[in-house]
Amino acid sequence: EPEVTQTPSHQVTQMGQEVILRCVPISNHLYFYWYRQILGQKVEFLVSFYNNEISEKSEIFDDQFSVERPDGSNFTLKIRSTKLEDSAMYFCASSVSTVDTEAFFGQGTRLTVV
Amino acid sequence: AQSVTQPDIHITVSEGASLELRCNYSYGATPYLFWYVQSPGQGLQLLLKYFSGDTLVQGIKGFEAEFKRSQSSFNLRKPSVHWSDAAEYFCAVGAKQAGTALIFGKGTTLSVSS
Repeated sequence: EPEVTQTPSHQVTQMGQEVILRCVPISNHLYFYWYRQILGQKVEFLVSFYNNEISEKSEIFDDQFSVERPDGSNFTLKIRSTKLEDSAMYFCASSVSTVDTEAFFGQGTRLTVV
Repeated sequence: AQSVTQPDIHITVSEGASLELRCNYSYGATPYLFWYVQSPGQGLQLLLKYFSGDTLVQGIKGFEAEFKRSQSSFNLRKPSVHWSDAAEYFCAVGAKQAGTALIFGKGTTLSVSS
């Protein structure tokens, strides 16, 4: 069964460092998403991406965040200068471009900023 | 404002007993409704979804949910809980169009006692 894969599963970084979280969406999907879940809190939408541009973004997705589809398979989330409060589980998801479809989520990357 | 409310933070059910997890939503457009399950250290797995049609939907692992438009609810049910159902359950609402954000509830943690 096709699945969304994320790497790494866990990343520890120092405050102020840049991190890149990587995702390989399901191959025939065209919409891509990033969500985050701070420990003990709800899952929050960050951004959606289609046709090489951002479709929608939340208030959380400020200038320190960026997304990219560098090639035909990867979808990345970059955090330029990490803060302690960026520590969270980050989920990548993808969906096909039609209506009446659901998003498929990856296993997540746990980011710990120290 | 768009929101999802899961009023029960934590529920404990005896193995073999029935289960109902509550979900209420507030959404401006026609809602697409989802239940996801997250086991410890795992990603989000889709249990079931409602797009249109029959308001009682069946999902995986013996779960079902009923959409009640008049009550803005989408409660999840299972007639007989298994110990392996212990996990966190998230209700989410989204729009018809792909690429739009899913709004999640805060989740309900299910514990199963023997």
